[in-house]
Amino acid sequence: AQSVTQLDSQVPVFEEAPVELRCNYSSSVSVYLFWYVQYPNQGLQLLLKYLSGSTLVKGINGFEAEFNKSQTSFHLRKPSVHISDTAEYFCAVEVQGAQKLVFGQGTRLTINP
Amino acid sequence: ETGVTQTPRHLVMGMTNKKSLKCEQHLGHNAMYWYKQSAKKPLELMFVYNFKEQTENNSVPSRFSPECPNSSHLFLHLHTLQPEDSALYLCASSQEGTGNYGYTFGSGTRLTVV
Repeated sequence: AQSVTQLDSQVPVFEEAPVELRCNYSSSVSVYLFWYVQYPNQGLQLLLKYLSGSTLVKGINGFEAEFNKSQTSFHLRKPSVHISDTAEYFCAVEVQGAQKLVFGQGTRLTINP
Repeated sequence: ETGVTQTPRHLVMGMTNKKSLKCEQHLGHNAMYWYKQSAKKPLELMFVYNFKEQTENNSVPSRFSPECPNSSHLFLHLHTLQPEDSALYLCASSQEGTGNYGYTFGSGTRLTVV
């Protein structure tokens, strides 16, 4: 079975500082990888996804993530955060063809002025 | 309207009530999902429907009963719930089989069981 571990439940950073949200997964077969963001009182919005090809994936709002197969990681990064990035971020994996997203526990990103 | 719409946004119900959650997608997708989001727990997949047929029931108690009358609508019928069922229920849709992977989520229904 697949599993996803988000190593940090909370990450506080100052505005305009860089941030990295960590995600590791376990799977014995090929997977697709996703990052979602959830703003307060809202559903989940897709930030970016890795299906194949280049291991560096760029998403919306200036976020990017790098797929590292040997380390089974898919960390999310942003070089300079804004107050509006305050939200909960979820990493998710899907076994190719399985049609079942498995989520991590989420990381709450708090931006301080 | 566009995207995935869920109603109601908030619901408070007693343990003996019967209520339904509604989800509608305007994206032409062929698959729909119910997820449960509880505090301190990862999102849990509850049900999957492909072309109106249920393809996944993730060991969900029978007090939750899904219904998918067509590819655009999904319901979750609730009866005799427990307080631990209080959570945010999220509906999602996707287009399977085309390589355009990615789920679109609704804003959710915040359910409180009293």
